[in-house]
Amino acid sequence: DSGVTQTPKHLITATGQRVTLRCSPRSGDLSVYWYQQSLDQGLQFLIQYYNGEERAKGNILERFSAQQFPDLHSELNLSSLELGDSALYFCASSLSGGTTDTQYFGPGTRLTVL
Amino acid sequence: GESVGLHLPTLSVQEGDNSIINCAYSNSASDYFIWYKQESGKGPQFIIDIRSNMDKRQGQRVTVLLNKTVKHLSLQIAATQPGDSAVYFCAETYSNFNKFYFGSGTKLNVKP
Repeated sequence: DSGVTQTPKHLITATGQRVTLRCSPRSGDLSVYWYQQSLDQGLQFLIQYYNGEERAKGNILERFSAQQFPDLHSELNLSSLELGDSALYFCASSLSGGTTDTQYFGPGTRLTVL
Repeated sequence: GESVGLHLPTLSVQEGDNSIINCAYSNSASDYFIWYKQESGKGPQFIIDIRSNMDKRQGQRVTVLLNKTVKHLSLQIAATQPGDSAVYFCAETYSNFNKFYFGSGTKLNVKP
């Protein structure tokens, strides 16, 4: 158990809908990362937050947004969902968000868009 | 558990043998590399890392080798055990960039 929690574990929704994925980092970690893992594209970095502020941005679509709250939990919002958004979404956390910080991954949320 | 990827290259080894998993990285400016292990139904787990000023780094039963000339990274697992069965990814980045790029992964299958 990495200490990172993600909810829900599974999510099934329809095209055009909006969903919110939630992540709680390990106790003491200030930085949160979001990743998308699909069968055809592998693991892709989406976005990173540190202590509530956006620190780095990867291949995150404009339909997607994220935030980190004062209690350090984070939410990833996915809107206008398309079939291709079906994937595993992982959250990771690290102590200070530095490049060489060890990232601890949560168990993921499996999103299925029908 | 869930499949991480249905079309990954697979390495099958006998329990007790050594395993070598390879990764080619793309950016010659990358100076920090990580190997992750992902078991079915779980998130990736850090195994070992290496900076570009090193050629080799050893951990417990694992060794990472870096060849910057040909942009190649390998993970060696000694005395492979059934619990090592998983998908292994390499990831690369460069200092202060904070964006990691992941390889497609290799599935390691350990036969008892």
